[in-house]
Amino acid sequence: GIQVEQSPPDLILQEGANSTLRCNFSDSVNNLQWFHQNPWGQLINLFYIPSGTKQNGRLSATTVATERYSLLYISSSQTTDSGVYFCAVGAGGTSYGKLTFGQGTILTVHP
Amino acid sequence: KAGVTQTPRYLIKTRGQQVTLSCSPISGHRSVSWYQQTPGQGLQFLFEYFSETQRNKGNFPGRFSGRQFSNSRSEMNVSTLELGDSALYLCASSSSGTGNVLTFGAGSRLTVL
Repeated sequence: GIQVEQSPPDLILQEGANSTLRCNFSDSVNNLQWFHQNPWGQLINLFYIPSGTKQNGRLSATTVATERYSLLYISSSQTTDSGVYFCAVGAGGTSYGKLTFGQGTILTVHP
Repeated sequence: KAGVTQTPRYLIKTRGQQVTLSCSPISGHRSVSWYQQTPGQGLQFLFEYFSETQRNKGNFPGRFSGRQFSNSRSEMNVSTLELGDSALYLCASSSSGTGNVLTFGAGSRLTVL
């Protein structure tokens, strides 16, 4: 099956810093989503981005499907950005709700 | 618009028992997917239901099963519980009209003693 690798595994920032999280995947995908898991376990969808670039406030994401990677940018980080960020992909025409998740990047933002 | 609702939120069972978890999707969403999250294995896909039919299945033993009702609500069942089944079970719903964007519920945290 498809492999998803996220880097870095851990990231520690001071409030106000910028960061880039990377997601590499081993095959063509037709679905790619970025999620933020808060301390209570809730997974929040940040972006649906199988290709191209999107922005939402301080967050933006870019997926270069031909090179099999996606980047999540966080600018002017805040303590509330802390948590685990997951990249998840779907491959094949019938994947629908079946996503393969990476191991996540644990982000800690200090005040 | 109400989100994805999972019940119960927390539960404790003993080895050998069985458990049933429930998931109510966002109104209008016909697809429900289930995932298991553990510290060792991360997030793993269990199965997906669409219009009461299992559309995709992950690599889990037959002790894990699910179903979907005509109102799109879904249940998953784990029989003969093992210690390793302790996990956060997450349900997500999606609409094909939005490119299968998954919206997750808050999860059901199962502890097996």
